[in-house]
Amino acid sequence: DAGVIQSPRHEVTEMGQEVTLRCKPISGHNSLFWYRQTMMRGLELLIYFNNNVPIDDSGMPEDRFSAKMPNASFSTLKIQPSEPRDSAVYFCASSLGSGLVSYEQYFGPGTRLTVT
Amino acid sequence: DQQVKQNSPSLSVQEGRISILNCDYTNSMFDYFLWYKKYPAEGPTFLISISSIKDKNEDGRFTVFLNKSAKHLSLHIVPSQPGDSAVYFCAARASGGTSYGKLTFGQGTILTVHP
Repeated sequence: DAGVIQSPRHEVTEMGQEVTLRCKPISGHNSLFWYRQTMMRGLELLIYFNNNVPIDDSGMPEDRFSAKMPNASFSTLKIQPSEPRDSAVYFCASSLGSGLVSYEQYFGPGTRLTVT
Repeated sequence: DQQVKQNSPSLSVQEGRISILNCDYTNSMFDYFLWYKKYPAEGPTFLISISSIKDKNEDGRFTVFLNKSAKHLSLHIVPSQPGDSAVYFCAARASGGTSYGKLTFGQGTILTVHP
């Protein structure tokens, strides 16, 4: 059974370039979460969707960040323009339900982003 | 404002001994707590959880204790094994509101178990 799939696994880009991270949640899961991990702040929730609808985007750092979930099996996180301080590991996670039945979130392997 | 705090960035333990990882929280609305384990180059994986109506939950070598009055929880690993070496994240969920289902994570504690 496939877990959460993220691509690319590694991304190196120059400052000012657009970066798009992709996520395929576990089939049947209807909640999807985007996190960013840094040494200073640990795991931060950026945005989460329930049934493809954004529920809470209060963690999105600024307008340079945007996320979409056009259907139940795909989501993107876009950074435009990218800056060196965006360098981090970005995780996607999915869960079944809104948390009423199971609070467990299943994480993908992450995308390590380096902006030079 | 860090609502979930893991004040120890790292912990080193001898194989066979007990590992105790601590977590403090500030939000009284948190009603469910989880521990995740993360190996390098992998995503976090769920380890164990506890509801606020309990004060202890045990699963094999792993036990989580919750002290609601102190807003403190801890993860005990007994006996510790070298394969337990990883980053451990504490997470909490608030009841109700528009962000139902959202988890707030701590910064993580790096556990190293020496043979």
